[in-house]
Amino acid sequence: DVKVTQSSRYLVKRTGEKVFLECVQDMDHENMFWYRQDPGLGLRLIYFSYDVKMKEKGDIPEGYSVSREKKERFSLILESASTNQTSMYLCASRGSEKYGYTFGSGTRLTVV
Amino acid sequence: GQSLEQPSEVTAVEGAIVQINCTYQTSGFYGLSWYQQHDGGAPTFLSYNALDGLEETGRFSSFLSRSDSYGYLLLQELQMKDSASYFCAVRGSGGGADGLTFGKGTHLIIQP
Repeated sequence: DVKVTQSSRYLVKRTGEKVFLECVQDMDHENMFWYRQDPGLGLRLIYFSYDVKMKEKGDIPEGYSVSREKKERFSLILESASTNQTSMYLCASRGSEKYGYTFGSGTRLTVV
Repeated sequence: GQSLEQPSEVTAVEGAIVQINCTYQTSGFYGLSWYQQHDGGAPTFLSYNALDGLEETGRFSSFLSRSDSYGYLLLQELQMKDSASYFCAVRGSGGGADGLTFGKGTHLIIQP
């Protein structure tokens, strides 16, 4: 089974801090994604990457950046955390489209 | 861009059949997917339809009509464990270098 591992299940950070969310997949997938999930809003795409060092903005990239230095690792960075970035963050990877995305278990980030 | 509409909540009885509808608007179209998410869990992939028609996987089936920009997920022989949120999702661009856009989810409540 493909595994997508997110480094933290829960995080509490202060406003203005720089925050790193890490994601690692073990199936050599080229495509990796970061989503945030908020009640009533569903999952919204922040950034994705289709290859090492390649990144593309999703629907809500403002306030975020990403890094993909190795194929298996995709990091989401909050340059200066704000309270409106309190959310559940989900990382996913994808191989063949017909097998869909595999999601990590999520990081619930609270910014205080 | 892409947008999807699905009911926010559906209630059904254990052992019955339920259909969750999804309509979408997208500039391009590269398939309709369905995901299941239990409370506190990660979304898990259920099905993918690239062509018109019905795809069956056990108790779950998914249907697509590209001419109507419409699809549905059919769950048969409902079990209590099927209580979850269900998301439809589309990818609007080709080449693999694009993320899924998700609907806001349908909360399925199963009553005994």
